[in-house]
Amino acid sequence: DTGVTQSPTHLIKTRGQQVTLRCSPISGHKSVSWYQQVLGQGPQFIFQYYEKEERGRGNFPDRFSARQFPNYSSELNVNALLLGDSALYLCASSPDGHSGANVLTFGAGSRLTVL
Amino acid sequence: AQKITQTQPGMFVQEKEAVTLDCTYDTSDPSYGLFWYKQPSSGEMIFLIYQGSYDQQNATEGRYSLNFQKARKSANLVISASQLGDSAMYFCAMREGGTGGFKTIFGAGTRLFVKA
Repeated sequence: DTGVTQSPTHLIKTRGQQVTLRCSPISGHKSVSWYQQVLGQGPQFIFQYYEKEERGRGNFPDRFSARQFPNYSSELNVNALLLGDSALYLCASSPDGHSGANVLTFGAGSRLTVL
Repeated sequence: AQKITQTQPGMFVQEKEAVTLDCTYDTSDPSYGLFWYKQPSSGEMIFLIYQGSYDQQNATEGRYSLNFQKARKSANLVISASQLGDSAMYFCAMREGGTGGFKTIFGAGTRLFVKA
């Protein structure tokens, strides 16, 4: 059983550029969540998508956007990159995102460095 | 607004001893779920244990147990018989039910060091 896969694993960008991160959930999972984890801190919630609709949004600027595709994979886009966007971006999938013990299964993350 | 607090930035424990990692939470929703995750130095988040707000008994999963005190709004993780491989960051997390049910929030974490 393939877990949550994220790409790319590492990337380096310069200020002002744009980045797209990709996530494929576990087969059968319909919900994808995105988190930003700055070094030494806990994951901060960015977005959750379920059945291709945005169901939750964290306290992030409009430079951050995401979408979910019919196959339930997802992309996170960040425009006009700032140095402070340097972080590990984690994607997590869950069966339906909101019921009972809906455990998040995480991918290995995409580490973004902004220079 | 929902909130998770982990007051122990770092903890040390001797191998084979038990350790408790503290977590308090704040929510006005009567329906919620509490989770603990482990993050080794490799970076991947690993699910450990879940407790629902209506569960009558404390959750257990092997060497992990969750000491759930609803009135105090605390959900401490107890690791018994610590092993060197338990050295990692540990995060407490919460998801509210109802309309807020699509967001799981995490605490700042506790770094656990297991000494040989």
